[in-house]
Amino acid sequence: GAVVSQHPSRVICKSGTSVKIECRSLDFQATTMFWYRQFPKKSLMLMATSNEGSKATYEQGVEKDKFLINHASLTLSTLTVTSAHPEDSSFYICSARGSFGTGANVLTFGAGSRLTVL
Amino acid sequence: GENVEQHPSTLSVQEGDSAVIKCTYSDSASNYFPWYKQELGKRPQLIIDIRSNVGEKKDQRIAVTLNKTAKHFSLHITETQPEDSAVYFCAASKGGAGNQFYFGTGTSLTVIP
Repeated sequence: GAVVSQHPSRVICKSGTSVKIECRSLDFQATTMFWYRQFPKKSLMLMATSNEGSKATYEQGVEKDKFLINHASLTLSTLTVTSAHPEDSSFYICSARGSFGTGANVLTFGAGSRLTVL
Repeated sequence: GENVEQHPSTLSVQEGDSAVIKCTYSDSASNYFPWYKQELGKRPQLIIDIRSNVGEKKDQRIAVTLNKTAKHFSLHITETQPEDSAVYFCAASKGGAGNQFYFGTGTSLTVIP
């Protein structure tokens, strides 16, 4: 089945620094990837839709200059949390949707990245 | 846009009993409805899905039903086991790689041994 790899799984950084999270589709091409943020015991909050070769589409209330998304290839999307602050501490999960055949509807998640900003 | 509501938010059942989680959606154009299971600190895993041209789908102890007219779908877990304990999310989406998924708020299921 489809596999999505996400790194790093855990990262601790100092306030004011930037952190990059990578999301890769390992065995399929993903023209679209989704980035979610999840608070403890809460649902998945869509932050942005990452489109290969074009700008990401951000959800209302998500600062695009704060959360930079780059989708440079059909298998890689990155999320950079710039000038991180403690309130950015969270669990970030990427996902990719298959683009053809019976896999066209299936959304596969990465393992998530636990960000802690000190 | 689409709005997905999920109930209950928490559910406790005795081992061996059945568990039912219900979701409603608002956009009649949604045609794909997956269910995800998420264990603590792990990624959501697809456990079953249903498309709008089907009313029911079953996979061993798990089944999903869809009522397009009423815009609701349900997850049924029979003969529950402690390892079924997790948070379950329903979702709704339209077909097409670029269409996002709209998730319910999750149900924390606890199966009591």
